[in-house]
Amino acid sequence: EVQLVESGGGFIQPGGSLTLSCAASGFTFSDYTMNWVRQAPGEGLEWVSYISSSSSTMRYADSVMGRFTVSRDNAKNSLFLQMSSLRAGDTAVYYCARQCTTCYVGFDYWGQGTLVTVSS
Amino acid sequence: EIVLTQSPATLSLSPGERATLSCRASQSVSSYLAWYQQKPGQSPRLLIYDTSNRATGIPARFSGSGSGTDFTLTISSLEPEDSAVYYCQQRSSWRAFGQGTKVEIK
Repeated sequence: EVQLVESGGGFIQPGGSLTLSCAASGFTFSDYTMNWVRQAPGEGLEWVSYISSSSSTMRYADSVMGRFTVSRDNAKNSLFLQMSSLRAGDTAVYYCARQCTTCYVGFDYWGQGTLVTVSS
Repeated sequence: EIVLTQSPATLSLSPGERATLSCRASQSVSSYLAWYQQKPGQSPRLLIYDTSNRATGIPARFSGSGSGTDFTLTISSLEPEDSAVYYCQQRSSWRAFGQGTKVEIK
C-alpha cells in the first residue's frame, strides 16, 4: 500500500525556518518525481515545488522561490522541504504528493498533510 | 505563466442530476489537464489525468473532456458522496491549480 506521511509542521514566528519531511512507503520511491502542494486555511490548492526522481530537476512556485528548498534522500525514501524567511502567507497545510508515472499530469497519491502556522 | 479559471464557483444540484464543471486555461495546455476531488478535512484525490483518463478506482460517472484551453469534468448522475470541491491542474513548469468549484448536493 502506498503511503506518504508528512511531519515537521508547527508554529513558527515570521522570519523563522522550518523543515518538513515526507516519509514514503509501499512503492519504489526513487522512480518517482515528488511534489509539495499547500493549502491555506479555507483556500484552494497551491503547487509549491517539485523534484525529479534523481534530484536533477527542481522547480518552485514564484511565491516561494529563493526561500524554500526541496530535496530528497532516495536511500531513506524521504522527501524534504526546507522553508526559511517564513511569512504569515506561508501558513497552510503542506501536502507531499507523488507524480503519476503513467500520465503527463496528475498526482496519484497524497499524504495527509502537516500544518504550518506562521504567526507572532 | 498559465492561469486556470474554473466555473462556476459553486454548483448546487440534486442527486441524479448531471454536473458540468468548466476549466479554462489562459493559453493552450494541449491535453495536459488533471482533475481532483477534495472533501472537507481530506487530502485531494486524483479523479482524471491527461484530460480524459479515470484514475484507479474512480467511478464511471466521472468523465473528462476537452483540449487546448477548454476542459470539462462531467459527473453524469450525482451521488450524495460527490459533494466536494473539484480542482483542475495543468502541466507546465509550474503545476498550477484552478481555484476550485464547490459542488453541493441539495
